[in-house]
Parts: sequence; C-alpha cells; structure tokens
Amino acid sequence: DTEVTQTPKHLVMGMTNKKSLKCEQHMGHRAMYWYKQKAKKPPELMFVYSYEKLSINESVPSRFSPECPNSSLLNLHLHALQPEDSALYLCASSQGGASGANVLTFGAGSRLTVL
Amino acid sequence: QKEVEQNSGPLSVPEGAIASLNCTYSDRGSQSFFWYRQYSGKSPELIMSIYSNGDKEDGRFTAQLNKASQYVSLLIRDSQPSDSATYLCAVRGGTSYGKLTFGQGTILTVHP
Repeated sequence: DTEVTQTPKHLVMGMTNKKSLKCEQHMGHRAMYWYKQKAKKPPELMFVYSYEKLSINESVPSRFSPECPNSSLLNLHLHALQPEDSALYLCASSQGGASGANVLTFGAGSRLTVL
Repeated sequence: QKEVEQNSGPLSVPEGAIASLNCTYSDRGSQSFFWYRQYSGKSPELIMSIYSNGDKEDGRFTAQLNKASQYVSLLIRDSQPSDSATYLCAVRGGTSYGKLTFGQGTILTVHP
C-alpha cells in the first residue's frame, strides 16, 4: 500500500459542481505536490507546497484551488471544471522540502471525469 | 527543445535480454535524476535515483549519468514480462528550483 493516501479514487462531476480531492501522508514529509496526468502523457506539475507554503504554481487556472491545512494534508478544490480537465490527479510528497535530492512518493491518484 | 527528452518507443525486448532506456535533458544545472516506472492505470513508482556522474546499480537495474553530455540512462538486465510498463525519466534542479520535470516516457514491452 502507498504511504500517500488519496481520496476519492474516482470522481465524476458536472461542470457546475464543486468538489475536492484530498491527500494525506504520515511520513513527516515537508513538501507536497499536485500533478495532473492525461492519458499517455507524463505527469504535469500543478502546485508545490513546501513547509506548508505554496512555493510553485504552474499557472494553473483558478478553477483549481489548492489548500494545505497542515503538513500532512493537501487538498485540491475543484469548481466550474471543463471536460478537458478530466485526468488522473496525482498527489506526491517528499522529505525535507521541495529541492534537490528529495525523492517524490506518489499516491495512487484520483481519476476525475468532468461531464 | 523539450526540457527532458526520451524515446517514446515502444521498446520491445525478449525475456532475459537487456533493455536500455535513454534520456537527455536541456538544463545544464540540473542536479537530481530519477527513473520512475508506471504501469497502466497506476501511479509512478521510483525505480532509481542518481545524483553524480557514473553508474548506480540496484539489483537488475543500473542507472548511468553523464552530466557533461546531459544524458541519463537506465539498463534493465534479465528483463521480465513484469517489467513491461512506461518508464519515466525525471529531472530536478538547476534553474527550475524544486520542480521535477518528466520526460514523455518510454513504453517497454518484454515478450516471453
């Protein structure tokens, strides 16, 4: 079992819905990440939180809103999404911050379908 | 030029053979290099990390890094059908502090 837990595993939502993806890790890691992965493409970085502060935002549309309530939790709030936002959303964490040799551990992902 | 480039494949090798996966990167200041394996419908899992020039071996896997040539490779010895997956090269550091950039991935098929 992965040590990064993502919920829900699958989510179907309409374009007017508001939903959230959740991620939790108990490894004491100090950096957490959201990646988006479309079919047959590599993961694309969306956001990085390092020591509970947003350190990287890859110009993600405002309909995606990240939140890091504490060092173990990372949320991604979704609102007014488009069908092209359907993808696998991956959460990851790394020890000691977002730099250098710190290795990312990925969660199992949340597969999002926007109707 | 893409930041991280891999041959997309697919690469097909017979069981027991050596599979060779290659990756080049554009940011000369890059510091950390990773190989992830991703099975269809699953999340990436770390296979190898390498930070200095030379070879690093772990079981059937060997990572090779040449910073002067901006090249990193992964060799899989005694390939097994269970090694069939997409292999993602990832690079971090340099000008993109904190950002891990993935290549497009190489699809590997090991046939019995």
